[in-house]
Amino acid sequence: EVQLVESGGGLVQPGRSLRLSCAASGFTFDDYAMHWVRQAPGKGLEWVSGISWNSGSIGYADSVKGRFTISRDNAKNSLYLQMNSLRAEDTALYYCAKVIAVAGFHDAFDIWGQGTMVTVSS
Amino acid sequence: DIQMTQSPSTLSASVGDRVTITCRASQSISSWLAWYQQKPGKAPKLLIYKASSLESGVPSRFSGSGSGTEFTLTISSLQPDDFATYYCQQYNSLWTFGQGTKVEIK
Repeated sequence: EVQLVESGGGLVQPGRSLRLSCAASGFTFDDYAMHWVRQAPGKGLEWVSGISWNSGSIGYADSVKGRFTISRDNAKNSLYLQMNSLRAEDTALYYCAKVIAVAGFHDAFDIWGQGTMVTVSS
Repeated sequence: DIQMTQSPSTLSASVGDRVTITCRASQSISSWLAWYQQKPGKAPKLLIYKASSLESGVPSRFSGSGSGTEFTLTISSLQPDDFATYYCQQYNSLWTFGQGTKVEIK
């Protein structure tokens, strides 16, 4: 079964850091680009960051550029999001998602995890 | 950055109705558009990609059309399981979601 499982969320104070992880199974992880998408409570979806299959292409939303870093470890079938200088407006459910096509980057997302909640509050 | 605008924001409909949701891009995105369905407490589910390609396992009552800047998602006969929020997403330049359309029971 194709599966993505996020972890690492929690309550953190403004200005602190947090690292999210996404464990992939059921597919050849290093064939696919991966992305992070977040959803603030009661709000819509916001794309956060994406990384190509070989880490050669990376993109960030303006709202997180310079504060968040996406990375992957293909040997561990894992995706990461290092979040620094967290703000209250970063409070959201963070999903990882897989793209449809092998070696695709600019692509839609066909598999999503269930999300990990990040709450930034003092 | 490309902005995506969905209309309406909320739609009230009955089982069996034909439902159409519109998504407009602030500049041309060719056919690089996807539609997702999200139910409360659940992750989004891909319905349509490349504007009109039906994702495997998605019922044929869902269809997508359009290119350039104007796109539509149509549900030909609304079923009880279809009451949810729908999002469009462009992936021509980075990725941007529309603000969502909630389909509720009339």
